[in-house]
Amino acid sequence: QAVVTQEPSLTVSPGGTVTLTCGSSTGAVTSGHYPFWVQQKPGQAPTTLIYDTNNKHSWTPARFSGSLLGAKAALTLSGAQPEDEAEYYCLLSYSGPRVFGGGTKLTVL
Amino acid sequence: EVQPVESGGGLVQPGGSLRLSCVVSGFSFSSYWMNWVRQAPGKGLEWVANIKRDGSEVYYVDSVKGRFTISRDNAKNSLYLQMNSLRAEDSAVYYCVTHFFQFWGQGSLVTVSS
Repeated sequence: QAVVTQEPSLTVSPGGTVTLTCGSSTGAVTSGHYPFWVQQKPGQAPTTLIYDTNNKHSWTPARFSGSLLGAKAALTLSGAQPEDEAEYYCLLSYSGPRVFGGGTKLTVL
Repeated sequence: EVQPVESGGGLVQPGGSLRLSCVVSGFSFSSYWMNWVRQAPGKGLEWVANIKRDGSEVYYVDSVKGRFTISRDNAKNSLYLQMNSLRAEDSAVYYCVTHFFQFWGQGSLVTVSS
């Protein structure tokens, strides 16, 4: 099965902007992979922020946005808040099976 | 409010079996694919399996093929995961997740140990 890659860790300053990326071992990530972005804070169940590349749920803060950036999917956080410190996982679809990336630990400091 | 509720986790010996259940209320269960996702202690998320609306298509991560079976009962708004030949590396919190990964349960802990 495919391998999905993410940055292991990133740091952003409060109020700053950061972009997390998500790549696929099978080639370029496209809208056909229906990229998801999932946030998980310590001790909590995960929460999905973005689905189908760039769609937000009702609970997704406006400062989060999804896109395709070159050959990867991307999650951009504009105006980082302390409460955004969390683990972020990318999830890609492969015509049935799904694969999570290893996660990016985002520190707001 | 849509809330998947998992049950059936616990301690089982290596080689043993366990069946997880998930009931989803407040949701058009029969209209959507459903997923199981797991997370080993201190590790990342791993997608395990999914099942089509009518159960006619199922997919699994390679590591559980031939050992786990996903199924559903739309009349009971319920999703299941039958886990056989369990191994230590199957120890994890198992989450029931709706299509579009929109709603996640709180998880059910499975521990495989002698």
